[in-house]
Amino acid sequence: GESVGLHLPTLSVQEGDNSIINCAYSNSASDYFIWYKQESGKGPQFIIDIRSNMDKRQGQRVTVLLNKTVKHLSLQIAATQPGDSAVYFCAENRDGGSNYKLTFGKGTLLTVNP
Amino acid sequence: NAGVMQNPRHLVRRRGQEARLRCSPMKGHSHVYWYRQLPEEGLKFMVYLQKENIIDESGMPKERFSAEFPKEGPSILRIQQVVRGDSAAYFCASSPSGGEDNEQFFGPGTRLTVL
Repeated sequence: GESVGLHLPTLSVQEGDNSIINCAYSNSASDYFIWYKQESGKGPQFIIDIRSNMDKRQGQRVTVLLNKTVKHLSLQIAATQPGDSAVYFCAENRDGGSNYKLTFGKGTLLTVNP
Repeated sequence: NAGVMQNPRHLVRRRGQEARLRCSPMKGHSHVYWYRQLPEEGLKFMVYLQKENIIDESGMPKERFSAEFPKEGPSILRIQQVVRGDSAAYFCASSPSGGEDNEQFFGPGTRLTVL
């Protein structure tokens, strides 16, 4: 079965609230993780990445947290906007060292209510 | 600078026909990756190519599927004798090189429907 993500969950938030999207992985050898955003009818768009030697990384309005102990990854979006509505995927590099071979989770649908 | 281009965006085929999906990488990118996405699923890696070389095809089904990236022209993902289970969105991504720290830029995808 899938080692990244679960059945497609949904998250509904109000505009301006903070959003937290979670992802679980099972392969301890994975050392590179990426969050992608996919809008309807479009391809995935890179948001932020993190390596296993880090616990936290921040971008513009987004923060990724990595907890290697429990194999958990989260994406925090600050001041969520309607334009953030999309499916969010976490992806991992299972093979360690070959960052091109990414394994994606099933995604989380984020809906932002105005 | 145009992004990754894929065509057609939508493709309908009957069982047994062939499907050809094209991908033009971003300018300056020489590495191409193909992924398949089933409804409400994440993307699954299929194949990684450089110009005239298949680097990793570990995600490709053993039969009916093939990919190429010729010296000139787009990368082609070819599916022979399509079956209903091939219905999916097929995404292409490109990167400047294939090593670490090379973000993959995705195209808009081709949605294949097999009747």
